[in-house]
Amino acid sequence: EAGVAQSPRYKIIEKRQSVAFWCNPISGHATLYWYQQILGQGPKLLIQFQNNGVVDDSQLPKDRFSAERLKGVDSTLKIQPAKLEDSAVYLCASSKIESGRLAYEQYFGPGTRLTVT
Amino acid sequence: AQKVTQAQTEISVVEKEDVTLDCVYETRDTTYYLFWYKQPPSGELVFLIRRNSFDEQNEISGRYSWNFQKSTSSFNFTITASQVVDSAVYFCALIRNYGQNFVFGPGTRLSVLP
Repeated sequence: EAGVAQSPRYKIIEKRQSVAFWCNPISGHATLYWYQQILGQGPKLLIQFQNNGVVDDSQLPKDRFSAERLKGVDSTLKIQPAKLEDSAVYLCASSKIESGRLAYEQYFGPGTRLTVT
Repeated sequence: AQKVTQAQTEISVVEKEDVTLDCVYETRDTTYYLFWYKQPPSGELVFLIRRNSFDEQNEISGRYSWNFQKSTSSFNFTITASQVVDSAVYFCALIRNYGQNFVFGPGTRLSVLP
């Protein structure tokens, strides 16, 4: 079974530029998550999708971050314009639903390391 | 609000020693799930265990064991006979019953020295 795929793996941009990250979850996983992990910290949930609907985006800085999940499969996360403090690893994860309930175990992709200069 | 605390920032042990990683959580929910994840130097988070709030049985899987104590809101993780390959950052995490508000602790960096 293929894992969660993310691209690009690394990105360096200047502040005020825009950037987009892509995620392809494990086939059949209904739930998709985007996390921001700043160096030395635990991952922080940015947004959670179930199929193509948003379940939780309470910690997404909506003035500059946006995310969508097309047709309930792939997802993109965009930052526009980027700030220095956005430098972090952006992780995508997915999980399946068992017996109508979220299984909760999340499977993570390798992440995209963003550096904003 | 939910919160996970991992008071140990870094731990170093010598190979074959046992080591316990502490996790203390806060939640107002009666039903919730606790997790441990491992993040090796490669960076990819790996799921280790899930425990629901109604199941306080300790669990053992090979060299790994978990001690869940609801009375003290703790979910500690013990590695027996540690190996160099256990070197990683370990995260404890908490999620509400309906799969929302997934919260990670700050992590504990474990270094196992040969």
